[in-house]
Amino acid sequence: QQKVQQSPESLIVPEGGMASLNCTFSDRNSQYFWWYRQHSGEGPKALMSIFSNGDKKEGRFTAHLNKASLHVSLHIKDSQPSDSALYFCAGHDTNAYKVIFGKGTHLHVLP
Amino acid sequence: EAAVTQSPRNKVTVTGGNVTLSCRQTNSHNYMYWYRQDTGHGLRLIHYSYGAGNLQIGDVPDGYKATRTTQEDFFLLLELASPSQTSLYFCASSDQDWGGSAETLYFGSGTRLTVL
Repeated sequence: QQKVQQSPESLIVPEGGMASLNCTFSDRNSQYFWWYRQHSGEGPKALMSIFSNGDKKEGRFTAHLNKASLHVSLHIKDSQPSDSALYFCAGHDTNAYKVIFGKGTHLHVLP
Repeated sequence: EAAVTQSPRNKVTVTGGNVTLSCRQTNSHNYMYWYRQDTGHGLRLIHYSYGAGNLQIGDVPDGYKATRTTQEDFFLLLELASPSQTSLYFCASSDQDWGGSAETLYFGSGTRLTVL
């Protein structure tokens, strides 16, 4: 079944800096990928979805997908303290119609 | 935005106790999910359902039962709770259509369960 590996486990960036989060998947047939963000005390919320190879930009956030290398990344430009959160990547398991999450990356943006 | 409501927010029980976690979604989504979140493990899928009366086994189902009574309501049952089931539990829903494009999951605010 789909396995999702995230890196790094924890990331510290200064305010205004660039944060880069990475994810690799095992299911070569998977078509759909997401980034979710979870602030302390809340449930995860979808940040971005990406279904096609290449870049997808939404404001300060850019997701990149390379299906050949089974790699998805998220880049946060001009990071803000409010971006401090736990970030999950997720992909669908083509065998079972379910979504599998990585273990998460803790992002800390220092003022 | 899709609304998913979980209850209770916090629950404490003893080993061997009987616990039911509740989830209701009000957006007529067909899929509902139960995940547990633990440090170092991320979100792990326990059970899921694609409609009333349906149940699918997730990745960490041992010790858990689930029941989808209506389109809106999905319950997670721990009939003999153990300390290893101490965790943060999330319910989610989505309007999945795997024949077309996949849909986003909408999560509730979670239930923190402590088994003493």
